[in-house]
Amino acid sequence: AQRVTQPEKLLSVFKGAPVELKCNYSYSGSPELFWYVQYSRQRLQLLLRHISRESIKGFTADLNKGETSFHLKKPFAQEEDSAMYYCALSGAAGNKLTFGGGTRVLVKP
Amino acid sequence: DTGVSQNPRHKITKRGQNVTFRCDPISEHNRLYWYRQTLGQGPEFLTYFQNEAQLEKSRLLSDRFSAERPKGSFSTLEIQRTEQGDSAMYLCASSETDRANYGYTFGSGTRLTVV
Repeated sequence: AQRVTQPEKLLSVFKGAPVELKCNYSYSGSPELFWYVQYSRQRLQLLLRHISRESIKGFTADLNKGETSFHLKKPFAQEEDSAMYYCALSGAAGNKLTFGGGTRVLVKP
Repeated sequence: DTGVSQNPRHKITKRGQNVTFRCDPISEHNRLYWYRQTLGQGPEFLTYFQNEAQLEKSRLLSDRFSAERPKGSFSTLEIQRTEQGDSAMYLCASSETDRANYGYTFGSGTRLTVV
């Protein structure tokens, strides 16, 4: 079975401070991991995926298979980063995504 | 192409009534997914199609729920004899099979309220 856990429901940080969103997963095979973001009154959209090893809007995420984690990090948070963030897992390309419960990030000025 | 389109945006219905939602995916995307999201939770998988074939259904999809994609383009999700527990945001997403590991494109969702 696939499972994704985001232990923090809310993260509140000041502008310019680092932010790290935790994501742990459970899957017996080789997963595809993603981070999705939902800004206020906007649709859910892909932020980044582990296979591309890219940095998007200053965010990075490293897949740690030993710890079964895919934490999202940004060294200097901006107010426009305030949003809901969802970690998601796919067991095979094209198959269903399993989402975590989400973490709300609030960046205070 | 304006992305994934869902209609209606909002639906209020009385308990026991039937409702139907529509999703129009991105035209070149052959995979279409339905998810349900309740308050404070992440999206939960309901079902998905490749072209017109329904390849997987979640146990969440009770007998009162049915989804179709008759011509491999738009899809409909019908809920019969609605219950208050069906109140949720229903999300549709699409992807290309060969590029699915690039992620999905989601619609804005249909918010269902059963009173």
